Amino acid sequence: QVQLVQSGAEVKKPGASVKVSCKASGYTFTSFYIHWVRQAPGQGLEWMGLINPKDDSTTYAQKFQGRVTMTRDTSTTTVYMEVSTLRSEDTAIYYCAREGYSSSSRWFDPWGQGTLVTVSS
Amino acid sequence: DIQMTQSPSSLSASVGDRVTITCRASQSISTYLNWYQQKAGRAPKLLIYAASSLQSGVPSRFSGSGSGTDFTLTISSLQREDFATYFCQQTYSTPKGFGQGTKLEIK
Repeated sequence: QVQLVQSGAEVKKPGASVKVSCKASGYTFTSFYIHWVRQAPGQGLEWMGLINPKDDSTTYAQKFQGRVTMTRDTSTTTVYMEVSTLRSEDTAIYYCAREGYSSSSRWFDPWGQGTLVTVSS
Repeated sequence: DIQMTQSPSSLSASVGDRVTITCRASQSISTYLNWYQQKAGRAPKLLIYAASSLQSGVPSRFSGSGSGTDFTLTISSLQREDFATYFCQQTYSTPKGFGQGTKLEIK
C-alpha cells in the first residue's frame, strides 16, 4: 500500500538545523509531488512547500524561503526537509504528504505519521 | 495568496445530529477544495477531495458540496468517532493553504 514513513523526533537548540526524512513506498516515487506541512502545538496546519521528485524542483512558501531546503534521493525513494537557523517558534510536528491529482483537482493523501521537532535551549 | 476561512471554529453536537461546516475562499478556486479530519495525536486524514468526491473508505455520512468560493462539509448523523478537528484546504494555487480548523466536540 502507499505509505510515507518519517524519521523520529528531534530536539534541537536555537540556531541549529534539523533534517527530517520521509520514505515513500508502494508507488512510483517520481510520479507524485511531496508536500511538507507543519503544525505548532495546539495550532492549525501550515503549508511549507513542495518537491517534485522527478526533477528535484521545489516551491517554498514565502515565509520559509531561504531557511527551508527540500531534497530527494531517488535511489532510496526518500524526501528530506531541512530547516536551518531554528527558533523556538519552529517547535512543531512536521508532516510530509503525497499530492494526488486528477484532471480537475489535487489533494494530499496519504500523510506521513509526523515528526515532532522541539527547539529549546 | 488565497485565504481560507472556516466557520464555526468550534461546535458542540450530539451523537445522531446533522452537522455542517463551511469554508470560504478569498477568490474562486473552482472545485480545488479538500476536507481533512484530524484526531488528537494523529496525522490529518483525507475525507473529501475535489469539493464533493468521497475518499475511498470514508463513511457515506460525510459529504461535501460547493464550487467557486463557498463550500460545505456535512456529516449526516454524527457518530462518536467523528468528534475531531476538521480542516478545509485549497489546492488551486500555491501556497496550498488550510482553513483554521473546526473543532467538533461532544455536547
